Amino acid sequence: AQSVTQPDIHITVSEGASLELRCNYSYGATPYLFWYVQSPGQGLQLLLKYFSGDTLVQGIKGFEAEFKRSQSSFNLRKPSVHWSDAAEYFCAVGAQGSGNTPLVFGKGTRLSVIA
Amino acid sequence: DAGITQSPRHKVTETGTPVTLRCHQTENHRYMYWYRQDPGHGLRLIHYSYGVKDTDKGEVSDGYSVSRSKTEDFLLTLESATSSQTSVYFCAIGGTGGPGYTFGSGTRLTVV
Repeated sequence: AQSVTQPDIHITVSEGASLELRCNYSYGATPYLFWYVQSPGQGLQLLLKYFSGDTLVQGIKGFEAEFKRSQSSFNLRKPSVHWSDAAEYFCAVGAQGSGNTPLVFGKGTRLSVIA
Repeated sequence: DAGITQSPRHKVTETGTPVTLRCHQTENHRYMYWYRQDPGHGLRLIHYSYGVKDTDKGEVSDGYSVSRSKTEDFLLTLESATSSQTSVYFCAIGGTGGPGYTFGSGTRLTVV
């Protein structure tokens, strides 16, 4: 079964600074990988996903993520953080080639943005 | 959100009472899921459905049951609510290999 770890529970960055949120997964083959964002009191919104091909994927709101098979990682990045990016971020992994096994989510990383 | 609604949005109930949460979709999607979200635990899968009357258990299914008699509705029932079931419950639709899940807005359940 697949699993995902988000090592950072809470990160604080200054507005305008760069951001990297870490995600490590465990799965024996090429996984499906996702990043979701949750604003306070809201549901989850998909930021970006990786299925195959180019390992650098672009998402909405200026986010990107890079799949590194050798490190079993799918880290989320943004070059310049805005105050509106303050939210909780979830990485999720799905199993390719195993039917429709449901996504497994990490525990989330809460992002705070300071002036 | 694209055609997925949860009801109620908030509910307070007493320990030992039955509770049913509803997820309704207008996307005609085959797959539907119930997750619960708790601080420090992220989202954990309770049950999911892969078609009408076809359901399976997730990671934290004890104390919960589900039913899906129509494509558009997926019901989550707490037969006898306990304080440990105080949580935010999210419904989602979508296939794992597709464009990702679409989530409802959540139901905040408090068991007192």
